[in-house]
Amino acid sequence: AQSVTQPDIHITVSEGASLELRCNYSYGATPYLFWYVQSPGQGLQLLLKYFSGDTLVQGIKGFEAEFKRSQSSFNLRKPSVHWSDAAEYFCAVGEGGSYIPTFGRGTSLIVHP
Amino acid sequence: DAGVIQSPRHEVTEMGQEVTLRCKPISGHDYLFWYRQTMMRGLELLIYFNNNVPIDDSGMPEDRFSAKMPNASFSTLKIQPSEPRDSAVYFCASSPGTGWDEQYFGPGTRLTVT
Repeated sequence: AQSVTQPDIHITVSEGASLELRCNYSYGATPYLFWYVQSPGQGLQLLLKYFSGDTLVQGIKGFEAEFKRSQSSFNLRKPSVHWSDAAEYFCAVGEGGSYIPTFGRGTSLIVHP
Repeated sequence: DAGVIQSPRHEVTEMGQEVTLRCKPISGHDYLFWYRQTMMRGLELLIYFNNNVPIDDSGMPEDRFSAKMPNASFSTLKIQPSEPRDSAVYFCASSPGTGWDEQYFGPGTRLTVT
C-alpha cells in the first residue's frame, strides 16, 4: 500500500521569503500526487496534482511542485510567501485503480510579517 | 454551486448521546467521502460512497459509527453512543468520480463529546 510522509510538522517563514514543503512517498510505480491546503476553520482545497508528463507542476495561488522519482519526493514550492498563505498543507498519494488518495499528516505553515 | 454543505458546523454533546452529522455533496458528483481529523491521527478516511453505494467502510472505527446515503444529494454519519474520543473535526467531501478528480471538501463539523 502507498504511504506518504511529510517530515516537517511546522515551518516558519518570513513574508516574502521562499518556501519549500517536503513530501516523500512510498510506492512502487508512478503514483498520483496531490497537494491540498487547509485554511483555518475550512475544508481542504486542491492546490495542484501530478499524474504524468512534465515533472514540474503549476498550481493555484502561485504554488508549484516538482516530482522527483529518484528521490520519491513531491515537494511544494513558492518563490515569495504572503501572510495569507499561513495554513495547513497536506500531501496526498494514490495508486491506480483505487482512486482514493492517502493523506500525509500535514505541515503547518506560519508566516511572520 | 454552493459547494459541499455540512451541518451542523459545531456539535457539543454528552457521552452516550447519539450524534448525526449531515452532508450535501455538490450536485452531479458521484463520489462522497467522510473523513475524520484529529491532532493525534491526522486526516483519516472513514468511508466512501459511489453512486450512493458504500464502497469501502474499512476506516470506520467501530460499530458505533454508521453512514448512509439515501440519495445523491444527502448523506449522514451517525455515532451511537458517542464517546469523548470521538471528538474531532469531521469532513465530508465529494468528487465528480472520473478517476483521480479533485475532492471538494466541506467546511467540516467540529464535534466535542464531554
